[in-house]
Amino acid sequence: GAVVSQHPSRVICKSGTSVKIECRSLDFQATTMFWYRQFPKQSLMLMATSNEGSKATYEQGVEKDKFLINHASLTLSTLTVTSAHPEDSSFYICSARWGNSYNEQFFGPGTRLTVL
Amino acid sequence: GENVEQHPSTLSVQEGDSAVIKCTYSDSASNYFPWYKQELGKRPQLIIDIRSNVGEKKDQRIAVTLNKTAKHFSLHITETQPEDSAVYFCAASLNTDKLIFGTGTRLQVFP
Repeated sequence: GAVVSQHPSRVICKSGTSVKIECRSLDFQATTMFWYRQFPKQSLMLMATSNEGSKATYEQGVEKDKFLINHASLTLSTLTVTSAHPEDSSFYICSARWGNSYNEQFFGPGTRLTVL
Repeated sequence: GENVEQHPSTLSVQEGDSAVIKCTYSDSASNYFPWYKQELGKRPQLIIDIRSNVGEKKDQRIAVTLNKTAKHFSLHITETQPEDSAVYFCAASLNTDKLIFGTGTRLQVFP
């Protein structure tokens, strides 16, 4: 149980285009989803937290107009990187949690974004 | 906000030896301390976690200790095996919200 998927697993796009990444909880209802970014050989950095049906809460330094997060259902959250630039190239990982903040976050497999 | 420091950044051990990774955190309100194992290009896998109401937790070859007063916690892996080779991250948070990760430790276990 507690499986989280992400799509696509990797994507290459041209600079200036937008890319959408999907995060799905396959066997549970995710009341909260988190988005992380991980640059090569670095740690995971929390970008934003989203609760189903509410606006996402962004961490300091993360541009909400550039990284659009939509958590429209209890099983799906999307991250759209708008007007992508090479410096946005990174490994984007989501996690999902059901219920309250005592419960574990379950991580997706990540999406490798390369912006040319 | 929370800040988590992790040491060492790399650790090489012989198969069968023990490995210890240490983390310190800054926010005394943090009460949840998970450890993750991440292989290259893969998702982080939770290997053990501890909450602030206990000082030690063990699961087979893996144990975690927590010193709330000093604000540090450690991961102990005994009888290391080559398949333990990976990057290990500690994290700290208030409940399971807003995980703040350490900088990671690359563990290499040589046969």
